[in-house]
Amino acid sequence: EAQVTQNPRYLITVTGKKLTVTCSQNMNHEYMSWYRQDPGLGLRQIYYSMNVEVTDKGDVPEGYKVSRKEKRNFPLILESPSPNQTSLYFCASSQEPGANSPLHFGNGTRLTVT
Amino acid sequence: QKEVEQNSGPLSVPEGAIASLNCTYSDRGSQSFFWYRQYSGKSPELIMSIYSNGDKEDGRFTAQLNKASQYVSLLIRDSQPSDSATYLCAVRGSSASKIIFGSGTRLSIRP
Repeated sequence: EAQVTQNPRYLITVTGKKLTVTCSQNMNHEYMSWYRQDPGLGLRQIYYSMNVEVTDKGDVPEGYKVSRKEKRNFPLILESPSPNQTSLYFCASSQEPGANSPLHFGNGTRLTVT
Repeated sequence: QKEVEQNSGPLSVPEGAIASLNCTYSDRGSQSFFWYRQYSGKSPELIMSIYSNGDKEDGRFTAQLNKASQYVSLLIRDSQPSDSATYLCAVRGSSASKIIFGSGTRLSIRP
């Protein structure tokens, strides 16, 4: 089944404790992206990747890191999480940027930082 | 001005009626337009995509695009209680690397 898989689904952590949220897609998509969703603010892009080893900042990149060593994986790293990073996070992928290809979303990760 | 704007709602529509959702965007060079449905706590699910001016129909859903007015809409015919959700308008702008989302319109179908 074609899908984007995120793990974990729920995560509660403390301020400053490094964490990684994994994202993997099995559709051979070139483009991958991370979004956070907060009430009233909608989906905001954190980072995106056009292809392997190519990543770029979205609208809200502060406090996050990403890497794209393989086409299928695009982990989101929070080196020192803070309470304002408490949010619902979505990973998404699409066939290629520039084409008329929509985003396919993972099931989301609800992160709470205390 | 937000890049993609939607009325946050809630929009309340009686069952069986037509629900009309609207979206405006600021980037005149925008190329692709998408409507997603999102149930509370779930991931966005693609309903429709539209790339050229005019109407596109898929079952009970019709997307309408007017690039001159920078306006895209979604019509849901014969609304069902299961259509109650938040509807997100998304636009791939002239910079094809980004898809920008509106903050969503909450739709409620009342029996």
